[in-house]
Amino acid sequence: DAKTTQPTSMDCAEGRAANLPCNHSTISGNEYVYWYRQIHSQGPQYIIHGLKNNETNEMASLIITEDRKSSTLILPHATLRDTAVYYCIVTSTSGTYKYIFGTGTRLKVLA
Amino acid sequence: SAVISQKPSRDICQRGTSLTIQCQVDSQVTMMFWYRQQPGQSLTLIATANQGSEATYESGFVIDKFPISRPNLTFSTLTVSNMSPEDSSIYLCSYLGVQETQYFGPGTRLLVL
Repeated sequence: DAKTTQPTSMDCAEGRAANLPCNHSTISGNEYVYWYRQIHSQGPQYIIHGLKNNETNEMASLIITEDRKSSTLILPHATLRDTAVYYCIVTSTSGTYKYIFGTGTRLKVLA
Repeated sequence: SAVISQKPSRDICQRGTSLTIQCQVDSQVTMMFWYRQQPGQSLTLIATANQGSEATYESGFVIDKFPISRPNLTFSTLTVSNMSPEDSSIYLCSYLGVQETQYFGPGTRLLVL
């Protein structure tokens, strides 16, 4: 079973921030949170990952709660090209490195 | 990140036949993975492929149905054997890159008639 829970779908107005939540209440101390997105059944695209500190890169920001049981991916200024399915994945970076994909959140950016 | 490609990008096959999907990375990588994405579904890990060792299959996937080769550090193949319409899916490969992040290929879209 996937270790994460995400809302099935969300809408966001173009130009506004898109905040995508993820629940991972059973996360272990050595497990990271990774975010990917998949556009039109293309290969998933890596967005960002983190352990316990908030992270930011050119694509997005990742906010992880202090207890690490949930996180939020923030796309600061959503565009129509950000319409995709977003996956939150929890995995250990030692050992198997396996990803277990949940159902993801289908984000639709509206003009 | 390294460039990862797959061949073919899509195919239509007859039931009972087999298809071999190739995955090429333009630099040497230790771990590669194969996933299946059935229509309208999320990705499911089929197996992990390390060079020089047998692939490690996930529950529900067997070597006879999905034989995998990993002859060197830049290449892997997945064969879908004795296909049925239920095998119609997108098959994706990935590799483990820096900071233990997986990078995915564009996928192979398979339709079995």
